[in-house]
Amino acid sequence: NAGVTQTPKFQVLKTGQSMTLQCAQDMNHEYMSWYRQDPGMGLRLIHYSVGAGITDQGEVPNGYNVSRSTTEDFPLRLLSAAPSQTSVYFCASSYSGSPAHPTRGGYTFGSGTRLTVV
Amino acid sequence: SQQGEEDPQALSIQEGENATMNCSYKTSINNLQWYRQNSGRGLVHLILIRSNEREKHSGRLRVTLDTSKKSSSLLITASRAADTASYFCATNVAQGAQKLVFGQGTRLTINP
Repeated sequence: NAGVTQTPKFQVLKTGQSMTLQCAQDMNHEYMSWYRQDPGMGLRLIHYSVGAGITDQGEVPNGYNVSRSTTEDFPLRLLSAAPSQTSVYFCASSYSGSPAHPTRGGYTFGSGTRLTVV
Repeated sequence: SQQGEEDPQALSIQEGENATMNCSYKTSINNLQWYRQNSGRGLVHLILIRSNEREKHSGRLRVTLDTSKKSSSLLITASRAADTASYFCATNVAQGAQKLVFGQGTRLTINP
């Protein structure tokens, strides 16, 4: 299993450009989420999905769109990039429901996409 | 807004010593999880403790949960240089939703 794969690893955008951050998992996880990590802010939830066709907003959704057409993929779209969106973005996935195993309930994270908007 | 607050923000100890990190949260939770993040990498899930549990062990890790005080602690015993990382607590506030809210983390440095 590859786990959670994020592409690209690094990206530089100009203000106003759009792009899609890709996230794919091969563990048949129902839940997928996008977080952004900024210095001193920890991780903040952008959008999440509890299954194919179902998405919802997190704490900081403005400026981002998501879709979940398959169980495996959960792309994050930046509509019109702004310098405030400079951050490290993490995609994560997990099983649903009450975990039966001590580690089953945890999220598996991708290695991140470091985005700079100039 | 941040649900979890870790304390201390930074901790530096000698190899072989025990490291204790604390997490406080604001609202009722379904479970609380601890994650480790090595510099420049993604987060790795360490341990999950449910709201009806008070203590959990996994190898050199010991997690406690006090729901009356809305707090948790992570103890790493016999620390090693490889334990140097940032540690985050994350609370799951909804049943089955796996919508995690993270704290700001504790930066742990193990000195050889």
